[in-house]
Amino acid sequence: GAGVSQSPSNKVTEKGKDVELRCDPISGHTALYWYRQSLGQGLEFLIYFQGNSAPDKSGLPSDRFSAERTGGSVSTLTIQRTQQEDSAVYLCASSSLLAEQYFGPGTRLTVT
Amino acid sequence: KNEVEQSPQNLTAQEGEFITINCSYSVGISALHWLQQHPGGGIVSLFMLSSGKKKHGRLIATINIQEKHSSLHITASHPRDSAVYICAVGDSWGKLQFGAGTQVVVTP
Repeated sequence: GAGVSQSPSNKVTEKGKDVELRCDPISGHTALYWYRQSLGQGLEFLIYFQGNSAPDKSGLPSDRFSAERTGGSVSTLTIQRTQQEDSAVYLCASSSLLAEQYFGPGTRLTVT
Repeated sequence: KNEVEQSPQNLTAQEGEFITINCSYSVGISALHWLQQHPGGGIVSLFMLSSGKKKHGRLIATINIQEKHSSLHITASHPRDSAVYICAVGDSWGKLQFGAGTQVVVTP
């Protein structure tokens, strides 16, 4: 069956540009999580969706980061005015409520 | 100080050896997860547990809630077990807080 998919797999962007990262969760999974993995910080939580609402946005590092989820399915993470410290692998995971999480392959973002 | 501590950071074993990775945490949790990440690869969930012990094939995970400690054991290790193993604790939303990971190398 289809797992979690993310696009693009790689994104190179210039400092100051906006980027959008997409996550397609497993069908029927109500919970969706965004994480990022960087060399300096390891794996860290960004935001959690239950359905279309985001009860926990505590991991978003600045107001340049935002995310939305529509139709209880696809989610988009947007980073405005990208900075070099935003370079990381952005991971999406989905699950049934409080069940094991299934991770997507990630989007590698490089800000030049 | 990280609220999820793993040890060791790195581990090298010969094929067939028994491997143990430890995880201690200092926060309240709903569940503890063990994840595996191969080089250049994605993250796979190995175990999610909130009490006791679970076994999948050659992998065993245990948790002691009172001591806030979990262990991941690999029996009869094999070179294909070479990967980074990550301990993560989940809160009531399922949000994960991660340890730094343990790099495991199993040599033939």
